[in-house]
Amino acid sequence: NAGVMQNPRHLVRRRGQEARLRCSPMKGHSHVYWYRQLPEEGLKFMVYLQKENIIDESGMPKERFSAEFPKEGPSILRIQQVVRGDSAAYFCASSPKRGYNEQFFGPGTRLTVL
Amino acid sequence: GESVGLHLPTLSVQEGDNSIINCAYSNSASDYFIWYKQESGKGPQFIIDIRSNMDKRQGQRVTVLLNKTVKHLSLQIAATQPGDSAVYFCAEKENTDKLIFGTGTRLQVFP
Repeated sequence: NAGVMQNPRHLVRRRGQEARLRCSPMKGHSHVYWYRQLPEEGLKFMVYLQKENIIDESGMPKERFSAEFPKEGPSILRIQQVVRGDSAAYFCASSPKRGYNEQFFGPGTRLTVL
Repeated sequence: GESVGLHLPTLSVQEGDNSIINCAYSNSASDYFIWYKQESGKGPQFIIDIRSNMDKRQGQRVTVLLNKTVKHLSLQIAATQPGDSAVYFCAEKENTDKLIFGTGTRLQVFP
């Protein structure tokens, strides 16, 4: 049973470019969460999605960031016009239902903005 | 220029000893408190959780204690092994399902 998959594992972008991060949840999981982690810090919640719905986006920056989880295919975290401060590890987690305590994390995508 | 993150507090223990990792939380309304382990280059891994109406829960080699009076959470690892070396995060889970992570503690196990 494959775990949460994220790709790419490493992504390098120049300032002003777009970054697209993909997350495939565990089989049977319809709830996806995105977190951002700076070096030597804890993870910060960004957004919580269910298939085709955004449940909680209270941690998403107001501009340049968007997320989706379509009916078919992976969840996408999109960062437009990246800046150096966007450099971080972005983790996706999934769970099978609302209220489930254990979130299963993927290996993360490490974004570096030059 | 690059931002420099804070250095994580570090706990160094000898193999076979018990480890105690502490965490202070802020939100009294959290339903659950959860401990995660993160190894270098990997995503966090669930260890154990405790509901807010409990004060102790035991797992395999791990025990979590919750003191709501002082908003304190601890993780005890018995007979610490080299494979336990990692960064440990406590997290609060709100009723919206999002996790609020603490700053983390690095556990180093030496022979």
